Amino acid sequence: DVKVTQSSRYLVKRTGEKVFLECVQDMDHENMFWYRQDPGLGLRLIYFSYDVKMKEKGDIPEGYSVSREKKERFSLILESASTNQTSMYLCASSEVGLAARGVSYEQYFGPGTRLTVT
Amino acid sequence: DAKTTQPNSMESNEEEPVHLPCNHSTISGTDYIHWYRQLPSQGPEYVIHGLTSNVNNRMASLAIAEDRKSSTLILHRATLRDAAVYYCILRVIQGAQKLVFGQGTRLTINP
Repeated sequence: DVKVTQSSRYLVKRTGEKVFLECVQDMDHENMFWYRQDPGLGLRLIYFSYDVKMKEKGDIPEGYSVSREKKERFSLILESASTNQTSMYLCASSEVGLAARGVSYEQYFGPGTRLTVT
Repeated sequence: DAKTTQPNSMESNEEEPVHLPCNHSTISGTDYIHWYRQLPSQGPEYVIHGLTSNVNNRMASLAIAEDRKSSTLILHRATLRDAAVYYCILRVIQGAQKLVFGQGTRLTINP
């Protein structure tokens, strides 16, 4: 059974703390993604990675960094947490689609981490 | 990035068909149309996707307009467990194939 796990379901941190959110997938997927979800704004892409040690900025990368040292693990880092980073964080993974073959694969999401920064 | 437009909410009755519309007038030729849904307190889950032709799977059907500027997700016989937020998403096939999420449609199913 396909699985994406996230290190915590709920997390409370203080302003200025360094925060690590971990995501692990067991499907040998090349692509991994970090989103945040806020009421009225839907899901927004923070960063994604299409290979080990490779990363690209999504739509809202400010205040975040990522690390992918192993294929199965993708970490989201808040260098200095702020209250406006209180949100639900969702990790996802997928296989690489192939445009030439007309193939697009679905993303598998983890259960989410609800982060509160006080 | 191409965007999608969906109604904020829809309501239907149990055991009736549901048609969830999505407009994507700026879709490009290689963008796939994906649908996901999110049940309360869970991460999104994949429902169906397609490129040009209509698609069916065990969960739903996807009807894509000939000009690809709109699509409709069809739940043939809604159950209470289908109550969720449904997202119509365009997936760029080049690069990392990221998903561009819209606002979603909150579907309520009445018993």
